[in-house]
Amino acid sequence: DQQVKQNSPSLSVQEGRISILNCDYTNSMFDYFLWYKKYPAEGPTFLISISSIKDKNEDGRFTVFLNKSAKHLSLHIVPSQPGDSAVYFCAATDSGGSNYKLTFGKGTLLTVNP
Amino acid sequence: KAGVTQTPRYLIKTRGQQVTLSCSPISGHRSVSWYQQTPGQGLQFLFEYFSETQRNKGNFPGRFSGRQFSNSRSEMNVSTLELGDSALYLCASGTQQGANVLTFGAGSRLTVL
Repeated sequence: DQQVKQNSPSLSVQEGRISILNCDYTNSMFDYFLWYKKYPAEGPTFLISISSIKDKNEDGRFTVFLNKSAKHLSLHIVPSQPGDSAVYFCAATDSGGSNYKLTFGKGTLLTVNP
Repeated sequence: KAGVTQTPRYLIKTRGQQVTLSCSPISGHRSVSWYQQTPGQGLQFLFEYFSETQRNKGNFPGRFSGRQFSNSRSEMNVSTLELGDSALYLCASGTQQGANVLTFGAGSRLTVL
């Protein structure tokens, strides 16, 4: 049973446009959500997170939106740059983020075309 | 400061053998987690250690085990290897301060023939 789902295996956007990556979860105990980015031959790197007490968190070009009632979150990248091309993983945990047991989605490959 | 270091980066084993992977966390990080990444399943949680104690465990068979040493370095072991164990094994460390973020190593790529 997949508790965190990223239904789009891939996404292609033009440089300068907005990239929107989506993630759905089923476990209502999840209260802390994270996005990681992964380049080939490297480990995932942390991008941005959001607690369930918020519905939006912004960090530069990256914004994460959380809709708890729909159990849905999204990552917006504006403007998209070629260097953003990577696999993006959505992850969730309970206990407010103090629990290191992360449940990951299967990832979305983002390609930003120059 | 140095990141999370995993060794070896690549290794090839045959079915039935066992393998040990090593992870050195970021200095000062006391929590070490292990994840398995496969194309079909994404990243799946194996286990987490904190101060030499296993705090969390994922849904993997007993062939997968781990331990943490007093200097926070960790090892994971897989016995009686199966073809399906071929994967990228990722180690991550964290500080246990408030809302925690994991820092991952580059992984150990295991191929079972």
